[in-house]
Amino acid sequence: NAGVTQTPKFQVLKTGQSMTLQCAQDMNHNSMYWYRQDPGMGLRLIYYSASEGTTDKGEVPNGYNVSRLNKREFSLRLESAAPSQTSVYFCASIREKDTQYFGPGTRLTVL
Amino acid sequence: GNSVTQMEGPVTLSEEAFLTINCTYTATGYPSLFWYVQYPGEGLQLLLKATKADDKGSNKGFEATYRKETTSFHLEKGSVQVSDSAVYFCALTHGSGNTGKLIFGQGTTLQVKP
Repeated sequence: NAGVTQTPKFQVLKTGQSMTLQCAQDMNHNSMYWYRQDPGMGLRLIYYSASEGTTDKGEVPNGYNVSRLNKREFSLRLESAAPSQTSVYFCASIREKDTQYFGPGTRLTVL
Repeated sequence: GNSVTQMEGPVTLSEEAFLTINCTYTATGYPSLFWYVQYPGEGLQLLLKATKADDKGSNKGFEATYRKETTSFHLEKGSVQVSDSAVYFCALTHGSGNTGKLIFGQGTTLQVKP
């Protein structure tokens, strides 16, 4: 039981490049989330998926798209990366009411 | 809107000292409250939670009490260890239907020195 896994762990992009961050969970959770973590700002919700086939915007969705590929996988795509998207990205999923489980994070630098 | 405010860090303590990290919140209705911990280079882990007023969450010697009258959820530990050095986040969930979305405070870095 690996929990929540994320790939890659580190990534450096140039402005304008695109990439997809992958997230998978093996806990049969219905809901999944993408957050970004910036110094002094805590974690902010980018997008979430309450169930397979549905996605909704969070607090900071601009510049991102998501896909809930199946119950296990929830990917985050940057179509045209910008330096403001330099951050640490966390994926999370929820088991019982209110308790989220987090992946180890992806550290992204956009030059 | 809903929000969480934590005390500014970093907090530096000597081993075996008493720890308090303040957390206050603004929310409509009755949110659930959480403390998450992030050890260096890792993701967040749930430390403890409380789902209704006057509930006390506890884990690994840490505890926090849901105080609706003061809208607070302060984290305490009687005797910290070097291994407690980490970033601590206070958070709440809100909204009807329980989509599980979390609102986080900005985090408080704790450094414990031997």
